[in-house]
Amino acid sequence: DTGVSQDPRHKITKRGQNVTFRCDPISEHNRLYWYRQTLGQGPEFLTYFQNEAQLEKSRLLSDRFSAERPKGSFSTLEIQRTEQGDSAMYLCASSLAETANTGELFFGEGSRLTVL
Amino acid sequence: GNSVTQMEGPVTLSEEAFLTINCTYTATGYPSLFWYVQYPGEGLQLLLKATKADDKGSNKGFEATYRKETTSFHLEKGSVQVSDSAVYFCALRNTGGFKTIFGAGTRLFVKA
Repeated sequence: DTGVSQDPRHKITKRGQNVTFRCDPISEHNRLYWYRQTLGQGPEFLTYFQNEAQLEKSRLLSDRFSAERPKGSFSTLEIQRTEQGDSAMYLCASSLAETANTGELFFGEGSRLTVL
Repeated sequence: GNSVTQMEGPVTLSEEAFLTINCTYTATGYPSLFWYVQYPGEGLQLLLKATKADDKGSNKGFEATYRKETTSFHLEKGSVQVSDSAVYFCALRNTGGFKTIFGAGTRLFVKA
């Protein structure tokens, strides 16, 4: 399967612990996005990379959150000192820059975080 | 700011019924409009799109027309199937932008 893959699919952690999620985009896609989705809501934009450069961060992304995309391939999203309000599904999506303006995003299945 | 509002669910229909899911938007400029679908246990995937006013997007029997005068992009299907049961998200992206903004989603249940 050559779609967007995310790992782990589900993470349960205690409040105050750090967690890291990984996203492997479709190999030829140079744009990568992180979104957060809570129950009953649509995805909310968190951050965006073009190649290895992080070009935009949402105000939703507090300083406890950090995302990287070394070498412009896979990306990681780390949450430090997790809080119960961080419980959500974290979605990764990718796209080609050339087709980005047409809007199609390719999503992974998401990583569900539960903070106890 | 840009936003998308779609009808609340869940929507429950019998097989072969007509489906409409309403979506309206607020945007500066001339956005592209999308419907994404999330089937149980799967990631979101693009269902259809329209990039300018009066365009009609269509796929898998679903249609939506970009209505600038009413700022709407309602999703319709003439005859739903059980396999259409999913969550449907209306979304927009401004021209030249990189951020896609999603509505809250509408869950559809289709009964046999």
